[in-house]
Amino acid sequence: QVQLVQSGAEVKKPGASVNISCKASGYPFSNYGITWVRQAPGQGLEWVGWISADSVNRNYGKNLQGRVTMTKDTSTSTAYMELTSLTSDDTAVYFCARDRYYGPGSYALDVWGQGTMVTVSS
Amino acid sequence: EIVLTQSPGTLSLSPGERATLSCRASQSVSSSYLAWYQQKPGQSPRLLMYGASSRATGIPDRFSGSGSGTDFTLTISRLEPEDFAVYYCQQFGNSPRFTFGPGTKVDI
Repeated sequence: QVQLVQSGAEVKKPGASVNISCKASGYPFSNYGITWVRQAPGQGLEWVGWISADSVNRNYGKNLQGRVTMTKDTSTSTAYMELTSLTSDDTAVYFCARDRYYGPGSYALDVWGQGTMVTVSS
Repeated sequence: EIVLTQSPGTLSLSPGERATLSCRASQSVSSSYLAWYQQKPGQSPRLLMYGASSRATGIPDRFSGSGSGTDFTLTISRLEPEDFAVYYCQQFGNSPRFTFGPGTKVDI
């Protein structure tokens, strides 16, 4: 079945970097973009960024610009998100999601990974 | 940047009742750009509606969406016990690509 499986929980110190993986199966990985969303404890959903199906285009959240990098490896059907210079404000569950096109201007996130908890603490 | 506001923050209802959730955009949004998600505690969000009124695969028909311009609504016709969750609206844009509302919690 169609699924996204993310890497396990991470605990990092302030200033460190984290790299989260998101392995896709059950669908043609190169045909879909991947969006990353995060959720701080007890808070709502925050869009982190997006990488296009062909990896040519990327769009990152303004408050994360310069610290986040998204990549896709079509040979392993895996997407990656790296976040550098971590602070306690980056403590959150990070989700990857398949970015699906439904029609002109209509995009939505139809398949989600299980989430990866990233804790930043000294 | 378009800001989404959801109301009410919390909706307290009983099974069998009708739930009406509102999502308001700070400026006009094409209905095709509007989606709704459901999230239960400890779970990933689940897509309910896209294009404001189209149900995603496997979503029961007690869920319906409507609206245009700046005002959108998600309606659950008769609440089932599994529907008690947090609901988020989301709009698609250029940059940022997606914006989420703050969520409405539907609880008993």
